[in-house]
Amino acid sequence: AAGVIQSPRHLIKEKRETATLKCYPIPRHDTVYWYQQGPGQDPQFLISFYEKMQSDKGSIPDRFSAQQFSDYHSELNMSSLELGDSALYFCASSPHAAREGVRGTQYFGPGTRLTVL
Amino acid sequence: AQKITQTQPGMFVQEKEAVTLDCTYDTSDQSYGLFWYKQPSSGEMIFLIYQGSYDEQNATEGRYSLNFQKARKSANLVISASQLGDSAMYFCAMREGLGSGNTGKLIFGQGTTLQVKP
Repeated sequence: AAGVIQSPRHLIKEKRETATLKCYPIPRHDTVYWYQQGPGQDPQFLISFYEKMQSDKGSIPDRFSAQQFSDYHSELNMSSLELGDSALYFCASSPHAAREGVRGTQYFGPGTRLTVL
Repeated sequence: AQKITQTQPGMFVQEKEAVTLDCTYDTSDQSYGLFWYKQPSSGEMIFLIYQGSYDEQNATEGRYSLNFQKARKSANLVISASQLGDSAMYFCAMREGLGSGNTGKLIFGQGTTLQVKP
């Protein structure tokens, strides 16, 4: 079965540089979530999209922005990178909660490991 | 505010034995879902099992079962016949129902590291 695709899998950047992470959801999943997992921590919700509109926003820095495109893939743009941005970034997709209710299981991609030097 | 608590930072289990990973949650919502995910050392997040707040029976998926005690607000994961490949971090997560601004994001517990001994 098709899974969530994330690219790149690994990314090394210098401080103050920019990074773009990409996510391709499971076919027919119209909702995308982004999570950030710092070393030794649990994943923290950043932002979500449904039908190309932002649906929720968590503790996402103003330096970060994201969007969902017409083919439902999503991109997380990160600017002015800081050392503290080093983390594993997950994208997850699910059918929309309005159809699935709380059952809409989120399936995670393999993650992008970002290292900021 | 919703909250998930996993009080066991680390657990050991002998191969072929059963193990229970604890998870308690706090929510004022009547409709919610509880999920368990497995994160091996390679980093990916693998969905294991789901329990809905209105489900009357405990969920089971192969060797995984969920001991759901709604009154106690607990959703413990039971892994039967542990295998070496079960060694990983396990996260309990909750998703509240739509309404009151909930849009389906997951709230995770701190995780439990499970090590299976041969």
